[in-house]
Amino acid sequence: QVQLVESGGGLVKPGGSLRLSCAASGFTFSDYYMSWIRQAPGKGLEWVSYISSLSTLVDYADSVKGRFTISRDNADNSLYLQMNSLTADDTAVYYCARDRNAAGSDYWGQGTLVTVSS
Amino acid sequence: DIQMTQSPSSLSASVGDRVTISCRASESVRTYLNWYQQKPGKAPKLLIYSASSLQSGVPSRFSGHGSATDFTLTISSLQPEDFATYYCQQSYRTPRTFGQGTKVEIK
Repeated sequence: QVQLVESGGGLVKPGGSLRLSCAASGFTFSDYYMSWIRQAPGKGLEWVSYISSLSTLVDYADSVKGRFTISRDNADNSLYLQMNSLTADDTAVYYCARDRNAAGSDYWGQGTLVTVSS
Repeated sequence: DIQMTQSPSSLSASVGDRVTISCRASESVRTYLNWYQQKPGKAPKLLIYSASSLQSGVPSRFSGHGSATDFTLTISSLQPEDFATYYCQQSYRTPRTFGQGTKVEIK
């Protein structure tokens, strides 16, 4: 069965960095786009970034552009999000999701909490 | 960016009620519109993709309609497990914006 397991969240000071990982299993990882979506405490969903199956196409929300970098390792079935220059506004649960491009994100991980606070 | 606006923001309904949630896009997204259900503390779950296609395993009481800028999600007969927050999302263009959510509560 499809499984997505995020890790790497935690408490970080403003201006700090964090790298999130998402381990995928149960499907041919290299066939799919993958996305990161976040949800601030008590708030709605915010799309953060996506990456195409062969890493040829990436895109970001304006709120993270220039600070976050998405990447993947198809040999290791892993997705990553490098987050730099973090601010309190980046505090959220971060979900990785299998992306069927225009047909929505059909599988999601359980999420990992990132807290940016001094 | 394409803005997605859902209405209402919340609603109270009883088991067995027919419930309709609306989602409006600030510009045409053709039929690149998805609906998700989220329960507290859980990841979202895809219900409907491409405006009207039912995701595998989702009960048939859920249906989606619409195109261009106006979309609806309908639950034909609300069940206890349907009390949750529902989000629309456009996948026509990045950033793939979400609506603000509609919370369906028990009356």
